[in-house]
Amino acid sequence: DQQVKQNSPSLSVQEGRISILNCDYTNSMFDYFLWYKKYPAEGPTFLISISSIKDKNEDGRFTVFLNKSAKHLSLHIVPSQPGDSAVYFCAASDSSASKIIFGSGTRLSIRP
Amino acid sequence: EAGVAQSPRYKIIEKRQSVAFWCNPISGHATLYWYQQILGQGPKLLIQFQNNGVVDDSQLPKDRFSAERLKGVDSTLKIQPAKLEDSAVYLCASSSGQLSYGYTFGSGTRLTVV
Repeated sequence: DQQVKQNSPSLSVQEGRISILNCDYTNSMFDYFLWYKKYPAEGPTFLISISSIKDKNEDGRFTVFLNKSAKHLSLHIVPSQPGDSAVYFCAASDSSASKIIFGSGTRLSIRP
Repeated sequence: EAGVAQSPRYKIIEKRQSVAFWCNPISGHATLYWYQQILGQGPKLLIQFQNNGVVDDSQLPKDRFSAERLKGVDSTLKIQPAKLEDSAVYLCASSSGQLSYGYTFGSGTRLTVV
């Protein structure tokens, strides 16, 4: 029973363009959402988060959008840079439980 | 601030052998997590500690996996006996309790069971 779903295992984007990574969730109790970035042989690194009381959060080139009615969130990276090539994990939490459930990840490749 | 330390980085064992992983969280982080990440999948929570008490171990295969966090700081995760399907990266993470900052993960231990 996957509560957090990333349906695109991979994505290739040209350098300088916008990268859009998508994520869907099923548990309506989730009230906090996070994105993590992972390079090979390293642990996941926290990127950006959003509370369910917001629909958008921005940090530099990274913006996360939340559509609660659709149970959907997305991560926008603009402009995309070669160093953005990594696996991106969407994650969600029911803050009362303080544990994070991860999606299966999307491998982003930025091509020159 | 020092990160989450894990050791060893890599381990290869034969099935039915035992193995142990060690984690030292960020100083002052009360919450510690062990995750299992199988190739091509997202991290799956195995166990969550708050100080030295277990908060959630519902996904821990207790017939073969055990974990402890003595004195509320370092933690060890043990597998005995190991199975082929235990091949994965074992990630330790710690948290100050504020979700807005997420968890801080260690680099993980890659376990291969042959």
